[in-house]
Amino acid sequence: KAGVTQTPRYLIKTRGQQVTLSCSPISGHRSVSWYQQTPGQGLQFLFEYFSETQRNKGNFPGRFSGRQFSNSRSEMNVSTLELGDSALYLCASKRSERSYEQYFGPGTRLTVT
Amino acid sequence: GESVGLHLPTLSVQEGDNSIINCAYSNSASDYFIWYKQESGKGPQFIIDIRSNMDKRQGQRVTVLLNKTVKHLSLQIAATQPGDSAVYFCAERETSYDKVIFGPGTSLSVIP
Repeated sequence: KAGVTQTPRYLIKTRGQQVTLSCSPISGHRSVSWYQQTPGQGLQFLFEYFSETQRNKGNFPGRFSGRQFSNSRSEMNVSTLELGDSALYLCASKRSERSYEQYFGPGTRLTVT
Repeated sequence: GESVGLHLPTLSVQEGDNSIINCAYSNSASDYFIWYKQESGKGPQFIIDIRSNMDKRQGQRVTVLLNKTVKHLSLQIAATQPGDSAVYFCAERETSYDKVIFGPGTSLSVIP
């Protein structure tokens, strides 16, 4: 079965703009989590969605937001982009909120200039 | 954001040798631990996991050891192959928060 897919794979934006990233989980998976990966800070948890509700949130400013649709697909949005937002944004899905194993997508590489 | 460490340790091993990658975790309340492998240009890939009620778990060519006393986790890779070259992350999950916290990662380089 198909894995987690993320679109777009690469994105270049300028400071002050906003961006929306998309994630389609593995079929049958209802929980989607988002992570930011940078060389300096490593992999950091952004938020988790299950049944269209945010279940958990990391320590990121309000410029970072997300949502989940009834088909479990998820989007994350970053407004008023800063240079420091340049990162690989990873989406991971798991079958349910209490499942242990999560599967990652290939990520979206965001560059802010 | 939450993170563990800023530096990426590196480990170089000869092909065919065994590799041991170590990780110190932060929260004694964590009940579930995972090892991920991340190859260049890809997302992290699940390798093996272990729950806090165990101290050892074996998979195919990999073994994870958990020492809760000193909050230490290790990943052993037997007969390391060039395809094992990647960055390896340990991760912990605390039940009450249900968030997964990743370690800084270790870069494994296999010398043919």
